[in-house]
Amino acid sequence: ILNVEQSPQSLHVQEGDSTNFTCSFPSSNFYALHWYRWETAKSPEALFVMTLNGDEKKKGRISATLNTKEGYSYLYIKGSQPEDSATYLCAFGGNDYKLSFGAGTTVTVRA
Amino acid sequence: SQTIHQWPATLVQPVGSPLSLECTVEGTSNPNLYWYRQAAGRGLQLLFYSVGIGQISSEVPQNLSASRPQDRQFILSSKKLLLSDSGFYLCAWSVRGQPQHFGDGTRLSIL
Repeated sequence: ILNVEQSPQSLHVQEGDSTNFTCSFPSSNFYALHWYRWETAKSPEALFVMTLNGDEKKKGRISATLNTKEGYSYLYIKGSQPEDSATYLCAFGGNDYKLSFGAGTTVTVRA
Repeated sequence: SQTIHQWPATLVQPVGSPLSLECTVEGTSNPNLYWYRQAAGRGLQLLFYSVGIGQISSEVPQNLSASRPQDRQFILSSKKLLLSDSGFYLCAWSVRGQPQHFGDGTRLSIL
């Protein structure tokens, strides 16, 4: 079982503020790092799949960076909105068909 | 377009009863298929994955089993449910290097 850790476990953000949180993963046998957004009463939705060290991906106000050598990825939310409230999951993909998920960071955006 | 169907959405079963959860995928061939469980307050734990018909890999020893009788059908079963089998079960599909696509999940409560 691979150790994929996300921090913080939860955070509260004021509407309009920006925030970021971390995913750490093993730096060996790396194939891909996935980010998913999981809203209440819905299924997880893919945000990004990142494969190259130094990768930066952006989708609207959400962006992510990847450092495979030190084993971490940051997810950033710029100008948080209430609809950004969700649990954000990262998942490590190694040299097989499996993903190892972190426990998630739950973001609550307060109006 | 590809779709994934998972049912039932909720299930309440007595301890010791059998279980069968079904997942089907449409619009793709030879997908990788996955069963996950989210226990209360925890992340997604991979239970089983399959890279082809009849090929099942089990990730954790447990009271559950999985089968893939057809290319796009993945079934999660148990002969006798335990209280500890309660949780939220998600089916997912993917192709190598791409994000995983999740079903809507099954909330399983064992009484």
